[in-house]
Amino acid sequence: NAGVTQTPKFQVLKTGQSMTLQCAQDMNHEYMSWYRQDPGMGLRLIHYSVGAGITDQGEVPNGYNVSRSTTEDFPLRLLSAAPSQTSVYFCASRYTGTVNTEAFFGQGTRLTVV
Amino acid sequence: AQKVTQAQTEISVVEKEDVTLDCVYETRDTTYYLFWYKQPPSGELVFLIRRNSFDEQNEISGRYSWNFQKSTSSFNFTITASQVVDSAVYFCALTEDSNYQLIWGAGTKLIIKP
Repeated sequence: NAGVTQTPKFQVLKTGQSMTLQCAQDMNHEYMSWYRQDPGMGLRLIHYSVGAGITDQGEVPNGYNVSRSTTEDFPLRLLSAAPSQTSVYFCASRYTGTVNTEAFFGQGTRLTVV
Repeated sequence: AQKVTQAQTEISVVEKEDVTLDCVYETRDTTYYLFWYKQPPSGELVFLIRRNSFDEQNEISGRYSWNFQKSTSSFNFTITASQVVDSAVYFCALTEDSNYQLIWGAGTKLIIKP
């Protein structure tokens, strides 16, 4: 089972560049989300989706876009990278049926903006 | 409003000592779920346990145990006979039945010295 596949694992961007972080899950989970984790801090929610075609903002959405055209995929786009977006990014998915289950995480993307 | 507090920023113990990581939560819902995750130095997020609000039984898994007390809104995690491999950041998280969002504590960095 692949679970949640997140790519790339590492990325260096120049200020102003754009890029897309990919996230795919094969568990048919409706709920997917993106977090960022800064040094010494917990996880902060960027965007989330409760199903294909439905997305919403989390705690720190500025500078990021998402879309959810299929249940499996939930890419995160950085529109114009800034040094403040240097962070580790995690994609996660969860089953949200009759019982709230744990979140399954991708391996993370370490992004550096110079 | 929902909130998770992990007051211990960092704990350092010598191998084989027992250690307890505290987690205090706030929620207005009567149905909610609590989670613990481990983040080892390699960076991935590893799910440890889920507990729902109607199940106050303590859980034991090998050297790990969890104490859920609704009266004090706490969900503490104890490692017995700690080992160097237990060194990691541990996160406590909460989700309410009425809300898909995971609310994260700031994490406790556990250092086990040989």
